Amino acid sequence: GESVGLHLPTLSVQEGDNSIINCAYSNSASDYFIWYKQESGKGPQFIIDIRSNMDKRQGQRVTVLLNKTVKHLSLQIAATQPGDSAVYFCAENMGRNDMRFGAGTRLTVKP
Amino acid sequence: DAGVTQSPTHLIKTRGQQVTLRCSPISGHKSVSWYQQVLGQGPQFIFQYYEKEERGRGNFPDRFSARQFPNYSSELNVNALLLGDSALYLCASSLGQGAETQYFGPGTRLLVL
Repeated sequence: GESVGLHLPTLSVQEGDNSIINCAYSNSASDYFIWYKQESGKGPQFIIDIRSNMDKRQGQRVTVLLNKTVKHLSLQIAATQPGDSAVYFCAENMGRNDMRFGAGTRLTVKP
Repeated sequence: DAGVTQSPTHLIKTRGQQVTLRCSPISGHKSVSWYQQVLGQGPQFIFQYYEKEERGRGNFPDRFSARQFPNYSSELNVNALLLGDSALYLCASSLGQGAETQYFGPGTRLLVL
């Protein structure tokens, strides 16, 4: 079946640098995507979303890029801080009210 | 405003037992979804309820069931527990049933011995 996947399971960056977390999806019919941040012992926290009629959306220090041609989603975090250390998930709307999550990327920010 | 709340926070059961997990959505949200998150993996969709009706179901056995009450809170029931049911059970709420942002609760950590 079609699923969401992530290119890199772990990412380590220096504090103050920019981070880029990538995600590949294979369901061309997906029309809605969300990035979540999950800290240890907590539920996923909404970061930013994007619909398929857009290719870029910006939030506070975060940007999501959607490339429908190659079915690729990325999350860019500017000026990464220690508090950004967490596991990041992308999720796609599979239709029928089913959000499909990838396995996650662990981001570690070094001081 | 309170976010999504779940109870209990932690639970220990033995194989064969039954468990009921509870979720209260964000005020004004009418949709509740349940997910299972096994350690080291992303959440897996179990159910979605909207206006007290099941609107979506993931690939889980019939031992898993749920319901939604008139106040939009929800319960997830799991019968005949297996060791493999040990996981973090997450509840998420959203305004409607379509492609909308789902906001997650802190989860219930279930351990089956």
